Amino acid sequence: ILNVEQSPQSLHVQEGDSTNFTCSFPSSNFYALHWYRWETAKSPEALFVMTLNGDEKKKGRISATLNTKEGYSYLYIKGSQPEDSATYLCASPGQGAQKLVFGQGTRLTINP
Amino acid sequence: EAEVAQSPRYKITEKSQAVAFWCDPISGHATLYWYRQILGQGPELLVQFQDESVVDDSQLPKDRFSAERLKGVDSTLKIQPAELGDSAMYLCASSLGRGLYEQYFGPGTRLTVT
Repeated sequence: ILNVEQSPQSLHVQEGDSTNFTCSFPSSNFYALHWYRWETAKSPEALFVMTLNGDEKKKGRISATLNTKEGYSYLYIKGSQPEDSATYLCASPGQGAQKLVFGQGTRLTINP
Repeated sequence: EAEVAQSPRYKITEKSQAVAFWCDPISGHATLYWYRQILGQGPELLVQFQDESVVDDSQLPKDRFSAERLKGVDSTLKIQPAELGDSAMYLCASSLGRGLYEQYFGPGTRLTVT
C-alpha cells in the first residue's frame, strides 16, 4: 500500500513570513505528485500536478519542487497572508496510476 | 466556472438509519470519485467510477455502503445502516482522467451519526 506522509501536521506562521512543508512518498514506481489547498468551508482546490524529477512549479506566492529519486516534494509560500490559512494536501497515484493516496495534510495558520 | 455540486452539505442521522449523498460532476468529466475524510486525516478513496463503471471500490465497506452512477453523469452514495463510525466528511471529485489529471472537488457533505 502506497504511503504518503506530510510534515509538519500543523504550522503557525506570522503574516509576512515565508514557510515551507514537506510531502514524502515512495520513490519507486513514481507516477505523479499532486498538491491541493483546502480552505475551511470550501472545496479542496488543485495547486499543482508534478511529474518530472527536478520540476518546479509556481502559482503566485506559492511554489513547489519535486525530487522523485529521494521521494519528496516541498511546498513553499513566500510572504504568507491570512488567506493562505488552509490545509495543504499532497497525494500520489503510485504504480498503475489507479487512484490517489493522500497524505494527512499540513494545517497552516497565518497569524495577523 | 464549472463546479462539482454535492448535496446535502450537512446531514445528521441516527445510527441504523439510511442516508444518501448526491454528486453532480463537472460536465465532460469521465472519472468520478467518492472520498471519506476523517478529521486529522487525508481523504480516503471509497469508490472510483470511469463513466458508469466502478474501477476501484476496494475500500468501500460493501456490507453497508453502495454507490452508483447509472448514466455516467451524476452519482449517489448510500449508507444503510449508518453507524457511529461513519461520521465524517464525504467528498465527491471529478476529473478528465486518472493519475495525471487534477481532481475537482465538491464542497462535501458533513455527516454526523448520533
